[in-house]
Amino acid sequence: DIQMTQSPSLLSASVGDRVTLSCKASQNIYKYLNWYQQKLGEAPKLLIYYTNSLQTGIPSRFSGSGSGTDFTLTISSLQPEDVATYYCYQYNSGPTFGSGTKLEIK
Amino acid sequence: QVQLKETGPDLVQLTQTLSITCTVSGFSLTTYNVHWVRQPPGKGLEWMGAMWNGGGTDYNSAFKSRLSISRDTSKSQVFLKMNSLQTDDTAKYFCVSGFYFDYWGQGVMVTVSS
Repeated sequence: DIQMTQSPSLLSASVGDRVTLSCKASQNIYKYLNWYQQKLGEAPKLLIYYTNSLQTGIPSRFSGSGSGTDFTLTISSLQPEDVATYYCYQYNSGPTFGSGTKLEIK
Repeated sequence: QVQLKETGPDLVQLTQTLSITCTVSGFSLTTYNVHWVRQPPGKGLEWMGAMWNGGGTDYNSAFKSRLSISRDTSKSQVFLKMNSLQTDDTAKYFCVSGFYFDYWGQGVMVTVSS
């Protein structure tokens, strides 16, 4: 099974900061990676698919990059409504989620 | 528009079988795959298995011996059945679909009680 490791598990940043979340795969997953945002009590929402494609309706401050085993979600200017837990998800084989990064406002 | 809705019990007794139905609208089950994902309270997401649009299934090896996924295309429904429930199966269960794994139901919270 492919393991997905997200870091950090908790991130505290200020409004307006550039924020970077990391996701590492235990083996090559090419670009078969999505990013999801989950707010308390809600279902996850797709932000980025296939590593760097922005889902319709998602603000352009969100972007994704990477390939192979190392991936990044970047929020260019953190907003209060971005407080949430973020998950990466690989679908190259035997789909798996990362353990999540909880993002807070400092 | 695409919608998914899970229906199932709030409470299941220890060692019993869980049955959840995912009813979809806005697309055909022969077009998109439907997956099951669960989330224990305060914890992360876990992929459980999938019903492929062609009718085949795939399962997370962690559940393979006790999980079954089936469908009724005429009713636009996908079914999850999991037996031998334990307290750590307490979770919110979601069905998920879409070409980019982008459509989620609201989930159904299931508590396993002794």
